[in-house]
Amino acid sequence: QKEVEQDPGPLSVPEGAIVSLNCTYSNSAFQYFMWYRQYSRKGPELLMYTYSSGNKEDGRFTAQVDKSSKYISLFIRDSQPSDSATYLCAMSAGNQFYFGTGTSLTVIP
Amino acid sequence: SQTIHQWPATLVQPVGSPLSLECTVEGTSNPNLYWYRQAAGRGLQLLFYSVGIGQISSEVPQNLSASRPQDRQFILSSKKLLLSDSGFYLCAWSNGGYGYTFGSGTRLTVV
Repeated sequence: QKEVEQDPGPLSVPEGAIVSLNCTYSNSAFQYFMWYRQYSRKGPELLMYTYSSGNKEDGRFTAQVDKSSKYISLFIRDSQPSDSATYLCAMSAGNQFYFGTGTSLTVIP
Repeated sequence: SQTIHQWPATLVQPVGSPLSLECTVEGTSNPNLYWYRQAAGRGLQLLFYSVGIGQISSEVPQNLSASRPQDRQFILSSKKLLLSDSGFYLCAWSNGGYGYTFGSGTRLTVV
């Protein structure tokens, strides 16, 4: 079993839709949970991070962590064409980081 | 503020030629440094990581090597490239806890 599972998509939504991206994991020792956004031919950039369980909101983005279910989500409200990218979840325990394979998102104008 | 520089952005090299990719970090000291390779649909594969000068750990057996000659410099090398070495290479740094900061990546094509 992989440490982190992420549906690769691709996901295609109309502009203005709410997008839900998800990852599951198996290691209960993970404490930090992160979402990265990666545009084509660029390096991933850190979008949001959460420590332990709970929600975190930043503008149109909300990250949720449910440690009891080993499940994390990223919600994008009022999605824009500029949100079209690959989104990678990541989590860590100490200095070990584990990444999902990424979900490709296209927001259609 | 911290920045990470990685170059070149793209590289086309013949099979059997050597490789040297360089990564430098500014604005932080004693960072943990990482080299990843990213293949389409396969996510990020950790190749090497370093917690200090001269300290290199390899995650997978391969045709590549890494060196850290200075605190904020990380180099990925190969003596003879293989076709299978083609990919998107990413350097990253971390000071622990949450998140990496990634470089802009090098797209390597071995022909």
